[in-house]
Amino acid sequence: DIQMTQSPSSVSASVGDRVTITCRASQGISSWLAWYQQKPGKAPKLLIYAASSLQSGVPSRFSGSGSGTDFTLTISSLQPEDFATYYCQQANSFPHTFGQGTKLEIK
Amino acid sequence: QVQLVESGGGVVQPGGSLRLSCAASGFTFSSYGMHWVRQAPGKGLEWVAFIRYDGSNKYYADSVKGRFTISRDNSKNTLYLQMNSLRAEDTAVYYCAKDLTAVAGTDYWGQGTLVTVSS
Repeated sequence: DIQMTQSPSSVSASVGDRVTITCRASQGISSWLAWYQQKPGKAPKLLIYAASSLQSGVPSRFSGSGSGTDFTLTISSLQPEDFATYYCQQANSFPHTFGQGTKLEIK
Repeated sequence: QVQLVESGGGVVQPGGSLRLSCAASGFTFSSYGMHWVRQAPGKGLEWVAFIRYDGSNKYYADSVKGRFTISRDNSKNTLYLQMNSLRAEDTAVYYCAKDLTAVAGTDYWGQGTLVTVSS
């Protein structure tokens, strides 16, 4: 199985900051990576698919990059509604494993 | 609009069984693969199972293989997860989710249904 490792596990930031979250796959997954945002008590929401494609309706301050084994999610200017937990997921092969999550907290 | 509504969760004793359902609407259900994903209390997301649009292929996490069965009824726009030999570690919120494409992740999720395995 492909292991997905996110870093950091948690990050504190302020409104307006630029934040980057990293996801590393244990083997190459081409560009088959998705990023999700989850708020407490809610279902995850797809932000980015195929590593860098912005899901419809998602603000353009979210962007994704990478291919192979190393990927990043960047939020260019944090808004209050962005404080949440973020997960990466590989969709290259089954099982479609998730990273352990990155909790983005208000500084 | 796309809607996915899970049902069937509840409290079950270890070793027991439960069947979850996910009623889909707002899209052509028979054209899309579907997933089950779970989240234990206070923990991260765990992918559980996937079924292709026509039910021809199914895939499972090692943690549930041989105990859980994913199925679908395209005439009823409904996805199922039959869970047998339940363990305490299966306690989680179970989400059904619609596949975006085969390699792109899941674009719509239900609200989840809680399964608690406890004596």
